[in-house]
Amino acid sequence: GENVEQHPSTLSVQEGDSAVIKCTYSDSASNYFPWYKQELGKRPQLIIDIRSNVGEKKDQRIAVTLNKTAKHFSLHITETQPEDSAVYFCAAGNDKLIFGTGTRLQVFP
Amino acid sequence: DTAVSQTPKYLVTQMGNDKSIKCEQNLGHDTMYWYKQDSKKFLKIMFSYNNKELIINETVPNRFSPKSPDKAHLNLHINSLELGDSAVYFCASSQRRAEKLFFGSGTQLSVL
Repeated sequence: GENVEQHPSTLSVQEGDSAVIKCTYSDSASNYFPWYKQELGKRPQLIIDIRSNVGEKKDQRIAVTLNKTAKHFSLHITETQPEDSAVYFCAAGNDKLIFGTGTRLQVFP
Repeated sequence: DTAVSQTPKYLVTQMGNDKSIKCEQNLGHDTMYWYKQDSKKFLKIMFSYNNKELIINETVPNRFSPKSPDKAHLNLHINSLELGDSAVYFCASSQRRAEKLFFGSGTQLSVL
């Protein structure tokens, strides 16, 4: 069945450093790849998304890259800040979203 | 104004009971969802409705029954609650299927 693998499961960085989270999907029909951020005790919120006809998208300090051939996509956060600390979920799909297992990012001041 | 609101926020109940969670969205979206988030934070889709029609029904015990009286509401009824049902249940909505989901604040269900 459809599957989305996400790595790493936890990531600790120093404030100002970059963070990279990687996902791999199995369903080649997937054409939409969003990333959600979930702060402790809160709801998941969409932070950036990309479609399969685009290889890269950037929004201020966050960027997403997609390699459709390899079925990989990644989230890049530059100049991390303590408020970036949260659980990040990738997802992949077309009519149905399959979520990755989440990455707990901790940014230390 | 809350875009996707679900009630109650917390639900503590005994095994074997029946309970309901309600969800309403005021975004004018056509599609609504129920997701389950377990203790390991895995987010798994349970159901999806598009304009009151069930379009996704994952492998969920038939003790779980969704109901959409209109496209702004999607409720979840759970019969004969079990310990393993303890989780956070999120309602969500979107204009296009699977895209740009807006999540509710979640219902923390604890079955004792």
